[in-house]
Amino acid sequence: EAGVVQSPRYKIIEKKQPVAFWCNPISGHNTLYWYLQNLGQGPELLIRYENEEAVDDSQLPKDRFSAERLKGVDSTLKIQPAELGDSAVYLCASSLVEDEQFFGPGTRLTVL
Amino acid sequence: AQSVTQLGSHVSVSEGALVLLRCNYSSSVPPYLFWYVQYPNQGLQLLLKYTSAATLVKGINGFEAEFKKSETSFHLTKPSAHMSDAAEYFCAVTGIGFQKLVFGTGTRLLVSP
Repeated sequence: EAGVVQSPRYKIIEKKQPVAFWCNPISGHNTLYWYLQNLGQGPELLIRYENEEAVDDSQLPKDRFSAERLKGVDSTLKIQPAELGDSAVYLCASSLVEDEQFFGPGTRLTVL
Repeated sequence: AQSVTQLGSHVSVSEGALVLLRCNYSSSVPPYLFWYVQYPNQGLQLLLKYTSAATLVKGINGFEAEFKKSETSFHLTKPSAHMSDAAEYFCAVTGIGFQKLVFGTGTRLLVSP
């Protein structure tokens, strides 16, 4: 069984540029999560989807961040424009049953 | 609100020694607790979870944790450390419905020969 797939694995951009991250969850997992992990910290939830519906986006900075999960499968997280403080690892996770989330390898973003 | 506190950002042990990683939680509802491991440049992998069944939980790779309500703790242990255990370990808490995992800041385990 394939795990959660994320791309790209690494991204370097200049500030004020847009960037997008893609996530393909494990097949059949209806819940998808995007987390932000700053250096030396634990992951923090940005947004949670149940199928195609964003059921918790309270921690998503909506002035510059957006996300979508069309057709309830893969998902894209976008930042526009990126700021220096956005440098972090962006993790995607998915789950079938509520008590176990499976994480992808993450996308490491560096904003110069 | 829920939170977890992991005591010690770094823990160093010798190979073969006992591993003890500390986690204390705060929760206004009965908590569900998790330990995850993260190897360099990889995502998080679930080690074990407490979901209100047995208070002593056994996980993968020889790890176990005990839920102690009186101490609001969920410490992770392993009797004998291996070099391959060197990684970052995260404790996490959620409430009924598992809607939001709240992670601690992590503990880096260093294992020396």
